[in-house]
Amino acid sequence: ETGVTQTPRHLVMGMTNKKSLKCEQHLGHNAMYWYKQSAKKPLELMFVYNFKEQTENNSVPSRFSPECPNSSHLFLHLHTLQPEDSALYLCASSQEGPDPQETQYFGPGTRLLVL
Amino acid sequence: AQKITQTQPGMFVQEKEAVTLDCTYDTSDPSYGLFWYKQPSSGEMIFLIYQGSYDQQNATEGRYSLNFQKARKSANLVISASQLGDSAMYFCAMREGLRAAGNKLTFGGGTRVLVKP
Repeated sequence: ETGVTQTPRHLVMGMTNKKSLKCEQHLGHNAMYWYKQSAKKPLELMFVYNFKEQTENNSVPSRFSPECPNSSHLFLHLHTLQPEDSALYLCASSQEGPDPQETQYFGPGTRLLVL
Repeated sequence: AQKITQTQPGMFVQEKEAVTLDCTYDTSDPSYGLFWYKQPSSGEMIFLIYQGSYDQQNATEGRYSLNFQKARKSANLVISASQLGDSAMYFCAMREGLRAAGNKLTFGGGTRVLVKP
């Protein structure tokens, strides 16, 4: 595996379900991110982890719970979601360092549908 | 107020022609970076090109070039010799401050490009 992988690629869940999204990066990076991409809205940053520590929570509802057990893995635990949470959830990683050109590398995303 | 504005929701381009995608930004930070990403229908965001606020020359990467006009706060992407595989959504993004990880990327609303054969 190379780059950033995400599983599952597609997920349908009811509002009472609990599910988790998984992200794994194989790039040796030390920062990871969760984004939400809804239809007709700009990409929204949800959470940032640097060296496994959460450094940003962008006013995300508590029904979304991130977990970063190590610098290669990032989870997003979902519970009691609402239909408006249906979106593409993208994971990204980057390397903390002096190079200003260092960009974020994205996974393929998980398309989530909440019924 | 939006920090990144992409005024073209969608556009058609003829294969082998060049296309310019507009991006304007708003920041009071003198240090920032501008990025362009491509998102095909598969969903993955693919990094294309980067321009730093202190870079003297416009960035180029293969068929991609960035027309950076700092005074006008614009960073337009030019795709030369369009190919059918260029059909995708294109996003402009900005990072304020020049540190790599940990600073937020703010994205524009995107421009959908459809290349016609």
